[in-house]
Amino acid sequence: NAGVTQTPKFQVLKTGQSMTLQCAQDMNHEYMSWYRQDPGMGLRLIHYSVGAGITDQGEVPNGYNVSRSTTEDFPLRLLSAAPSQTSVYFCASSYARLETQYFGPGTRLLVL
Amino acid sequence: AQKITQTQPGMFVQEKEAVTLDCTYDTSDQSYGLFWYKQPSSGEMIFLIYQGSYDEQNATEGRYSLNFQKARKSANLVISASQLGDSAMYFCAMREGNQFYFGTGTSLTVIP
Repeated sequence: NAGVTQTPKFQVLKTGQSMTLQCAQDMNHEYMSWYRQDPGMGLRLIHYSVGAGITDQGEVPNGYNVSRSTTEDFPLRLLSAAPSQTSVYFCASSYARLETQYFGPGTRLLVL
Repeated sequence: AQKITQTQPGMFVQEKEAVTLDCTYDTSDQSYGLFWYKQPSSGEMIFLIYQGSYDEQNATEGRYSLNFQKARKSANLVISASQLGDSAMYFCAMREGNQFYFGTGTSLTVIP
């Protein structure tokens, strides 16, 4: 049982490049979410999903896309990276909406 | 308005003493969840304790307890018998509907 896994651990992008942050969980959790963590601002919800095929926006969705084709995977796509997207990204999952969320180890992204 | 407010950017506590980390929240929902997470310097997010809005008793998990005062909309974390390994950032969070909100965190330092 690997829990929540994220790849890559660290990535450097140039402005305008695209990339996908991967997130997977093997706990059969319905709810998955992506957060970004910036200094002094805590974690902010980007997008979430309540099940396969269902996604919705969080607090800071601009510049990011998501999809949920399977229960296990919830990738986050940056279509055209900007320096303002430099951050640490966390993926999390929980069995149901009000249940405890478990976090992946994070991806540190630097956009130059 | 902030959904979660943590007013203590930094706290110090003597080893073996108890410490209270403050958290207030803002919601008009009747059903919501309150969480505390620990983030050590290594960066991972570690779940500590959960309190549901309908739970009448304060949640406890080992040395952690959540002082839930619904009328005052506060959910303070109490750590008893502090240990050096408790030095970390602590985040209060709330789930409201499908959205999840985090505070800006409190940095706790345990002094030997």
